[in-house]
Parts: sequence; structure tokens; C-alpha cells
Amino acid sequence: GENVEQHPSTLSVQEGDSAVIKCTYSDSASNYFPWYKQELGKRPQLIIDIRSNVGEKKDQRIAVTLNKTAKHFSLHITETQPEDSAVYFCAATRESNQFYFGTGTSLTVIP
Amino acid sequence: GAGVSQTPSNKVTEKGKYVELRCDPISGHTALYWYRQSLGQGPEFLIYFQGTGAADDSGLPNDRFFAVRPEGSVSTLKIQRTERGDSAVYLCASSHRDSPYEQYFGPGTRLTVT
Repeated sequence: GENVEQHPSTLSVQEGDSAVIKCTYSDSASNYFPWYKQELGKRPQLIIDIRSNVGEKKDQRIAVTLNKTAKHFSLHITETQPEDSAVYFCAATRESNQFYFGTGTSLTVIP
Repeated sequence: GAGVSQTPSNKVTEKGKYVELRCDPISGHTALYWYRQSLGQGPEFLIYFQGTGAADDSGLPNDRFFAVRPEGSVSTLKIQRTERGDSAVYLCASSHRDSPYEQYFGPGTRLTVT
């Protein structure tokens, strides 16, 4: 099955700086890569996703890049704000039903 | 509209007991998923329903775990003879047939087995 690794496990940045979280996957057939944000005690919320036929996708301060050859994808958050503080999970799937999640990155944005 | 809801939000049970966890998906979502999230980990897939049938139950850890979705809407995850290792947050998600990749999660049920 698929194996998703996520780094770093914790990340602290100053408000206004950028944050980058990286994930690698093992199954070259994976074709959909979502990112979820989970605040403490809350449900995971989809913040951005990318399909394997696209190399980059951007939504305001958030962007995701995908390198299919190297089998890795990254989340980029620019101009970070304190409300960006949360745990972020990447996931990969080649079928819509079974998502394989990374172990999460705890992001702290320091005001 | 209303999101995915799960009940109870918290469940404490003794080792060996039976528990049922309920999930109400978003109205009109045909696909429903159960995940288990242990502390400090990402969600781990358990089972997936398309309509009333379990299309993929390969993530269920053993035969103590079972899930049903008799009318294609509400689903119940059932755990028999609970063990301390079953303690985790159980998350439910649903998706619409037109956007099968977009899974929307519920708030979860935190299960503690003492």
C-alpha cells in the first residue's frame, strides 16, 4: 500500500514569514493529494488539493506543489498569521476512497 | 448546510464492553468513510461505504470492528470486546458522487477504553 511521510513534525515561524511542509509518497499511481488543517480538538478541514496532472496550485496565501518524478509534494503558506497555527496533514490516494495520511505537522505562528 | 455530525462526542467504556459510534453524513453524500486517529498521528482508514454497501473494509483492524449503513445515510461503527488499544478519535467523512475526492470530516468521537 501507499506510505506517506511528512516533515517537519513541528514548525515555528514568526508572523509574516513563510512556512513550508513537505510530504513524500511511495505509490507512483497516487493521483490526488489533499492537505487538511486540524485545529486542536476540531475536525480536519480540507484547505487545498492537487491532482497529478497539475504541478502547482495556489489559493490566496496557500499553495501546493507536486513533483511526480520525485514523488513529493509541499504546502506553502505565505504571510503567516497566528490563526494559521494548527496541525497540517497531507494525504495521498489513487482512488477516492482510501486516503493515506502523513503524521502531521504542528505549525505555530509566533505573533 | 449542515456538516457531518458524529455522536457521541466522547465515550468512555470499560475494557471488554461493546460500543456503537454514529455518523450522520452531509445530506446527499453517497460515500461515507470511517477513520481512526491516534494521538499525534494522521487519520487511518478503516472502511468506506458507497451507498448501503461496504465497498472497502480493508482497514478494519480485526473482526471486533464492524460497520453498517443500512439505508445509505447514517452509519454506525460497532466495536466488540473493546481493548485499551482501541482508544482513539474515530472520524467519519463523507463525499458527494460528483466530487468523490473531496472528503468532509465530522468532529469525531473520542473513545477511551479504561
